Amino acid sequence: KQEVTQIPAALSVPEGENLVLNCSFTDSAIYNLQWFRQDPGKGLTSLLLIQSSQREQTSGRLNASLDKSSGRSTLYIAASQPGDSATYLCAVPSDAGNNRKLIWGLGTSLAVNP
Amino acid sequence: DTGVSQNPRHKITKRGQNVTFRCDPISEHNRLYWYRQTLGQGPEFLTYFQNEAQLEKSRLLSDRFSAERPKGSFSTLEIQRTEQGDSAMYLCASSPPHADTQYFGPGTRLTVL
Repeated sequence: KQEVTQIPAALSVPEGENLVLNCSFTDSAIYNLQWFRQDPGKGLTSLLLIQSSQREQTSGRLNASLDKSSGRSTLYIAASQPGDSATYLCAVPSDAGNNRKLIWGLGTSLAVNP
Repeated sequence: DTGVSQNPRHKITKRGQNVTFRCDPISEHNRLYWYRQTLGQGPEFLTYFQNEAQLEKSRLLSDRFSAERPKGSFSTLEIQRTEQGDSAMYLCASSPPHADTQYFGPGTRLTVL
């Protein structure tokens, strides 16, 4: 059974720092891995999706890497800003044919202080 | 607006009442998912539609829960005889054919008093 773990659970940093969020998964046979952002009381915004054949994906100040063999992904945020404050979740689809229901971590709650 | 929309955004109800939520996916997205999220937790899968067919239901979805997607477009999620434990954020997501990215709506927050 696939399990997803995220560390740290919470992170507080001063503005401008580069930071790394970690995600690990127990079953390395994944199709892809997706990183999401969630603001308090709101829905989820997809940030990056890395296919199983890829090593990394970049979008602006965000870079996500994937190491399937070790069951790990990292989300790197460069030059953090107060607007980056949110909960960041990673998710992998279950191995169930066309039903790519997502298995989620609990998230990392990030606070970037001005 | 081409995003996923959900209505209502908030629902407060008394225990024992029935509630219905609606999700309008992105146009031409054939796959639709419902998830439930409680405070401090990641979302949990509830059910999945491909077009109008409901192909999987989680064990979390008791017989008080029912979901439909009658024409393969919008979907409804009904909870009968609500209980306080049903209080959560109900999230809907859709995916296009041949792509895995799931696009989420803003969610419906249910509070059962």
